[in-house]
Formats: sequence, structure tokens, C-alpha cells
Amino acid sequence: GAGVSQTPSNKVTEKGKYVELRCDPISGHTALYWYRQSLGQGPEFLIYFQGTGAADDSGLPNDRFFAVRPEGSVSTLKIQRTERGDSAVYLCASSLDRYNEQFFGPGTRLTVL
Amino acid sequence: ILNVEQSPQSLHVQEGDSTNFTCSFPSSNFYALHWYRWETAKSPEALFVMTLNGDEKKKGRISATLNTKEGYSYLYIKGSQPEDSATYLCALLNNAGNMLTFGGGTRLMVKP
Repeated sequence: GAGVSQTPSNKVTEKGKYVELRCDPISGHTALYWYRQSLGQGPEFLIYFQGTGAADDSGLPNDRFFAVRPEGSVSTLKIQRTERGDSAVYLCASSLDRYNEQFFGPGTRLTVL
Repeated sequence: ILNVEQSPQSLHVQEGDSTNFTCSFPSSNFYALHWYRWETAKSPEALFVMTLNGDEKKKGRISATLNTKEGYSYLYIKGSQPEDSATYLCALLNNAGNMLTFGGGTRLMVKP
């Protein structure tokens, strides 16, 4: 069966631009998560969706970051006024429900020049 | 806030060597401990989920143990192969079940 997919796989942008990263979770998974891995570190939690609602967005670093999941399936992570420090691999994961195993996508590598 | 440390940061071994790495945590106030294997340009792949003190899990040549009382988990690889080269991540799932806190990972390189 299809796993979690993320597009694009790579994104290069200039400082100050707006970017959108997309995640297609496994069909039927109600929980969706975004994580960010900066160079030399482990992934860090950004946000968790249960269905359409952001149940925990405590990991979003500031108000330039926003994520949506309008129909409870596909999610988009939006970053406004990108900064060089936003360069990282952005990982998406989904699970049947919270507490269940999280299945990860291959990530989007974002480079801000 | 959960804290997770992994050691070593990186490890070079020869094919056929057995190896192990450590995941340590000061608090056992979490729901489960997860081990993931992450190859470059691929998705992190779940290896084990461990919840109970004394848990031991095995999958082929890879096994893991959990000691919540002393605050560590070990991952063992017996007879390393070049295809075992990857970053191994340890993560704690919080009691709310909605957030993984990851260690920095151990990068394993197995030379043929």
C-alpha cells in the first residue's frame, strides 16, 4: 500500500519568500504530525493534527509557520518570510490515531538562500 | 519536557562486527520508546516500540532492550552489514500520545 508522501522532495528559495510543503498521509490515518530536522540534530516536533484540527501546535517556532489540514487528509505546512535558519528537512508522519505507530514520509529538504 | 540523548554520535565498524548504541533519558515519564532507522533520502523506518521496563525486542540481527529504572535503552546489531549503514534514532512518545521527542541519532557506517 502507499505510504506517506511529501512534495516537493527538495525546495530552494530565497530569504523572504513564501513556501508551501505538502503531505499526503496514509489513507484512513486520522493523526498527522510535522517534524523538522536541522543539520546535526534529531527531528523536532512542530504540530499534530487530529482530523481537521490542530490539536497541538506547541512546536511551531513562531507565527511565520502555519499548517492546515482542511479535509482531514492532506496537510500543507506554510512558511512566510523565510529565513536562512528555516533550512532543514521537514518530515511528515501519520498514524491511525495517537499512541499508534507513526509512519514517516521521506521529507522535504528546504534550503533558504 | 522530555529529554533524550544518544551516544555515540557516529560509529564506523567493519563488516561482520557487532555493535551497540545507547539512548538515555533522565525521566521515565513517557508512554513508549521508539527506535527508528533512517537511510539517506528515504523515510525513517520504525524498528521497535518498547513500553515496559525490561522489554527486549528482536528483529533479525537487530535487538533492543529497555531499562526505565536506570534510564536507558540499548540497540544491538549483530554481524553488521554495509546495508545497516544508516542513522538510528531513538524517540520518546509523550503520555498524551501525540508527540515524539527524538535524540540526535547515531550515524552508523559499515565498511565492506
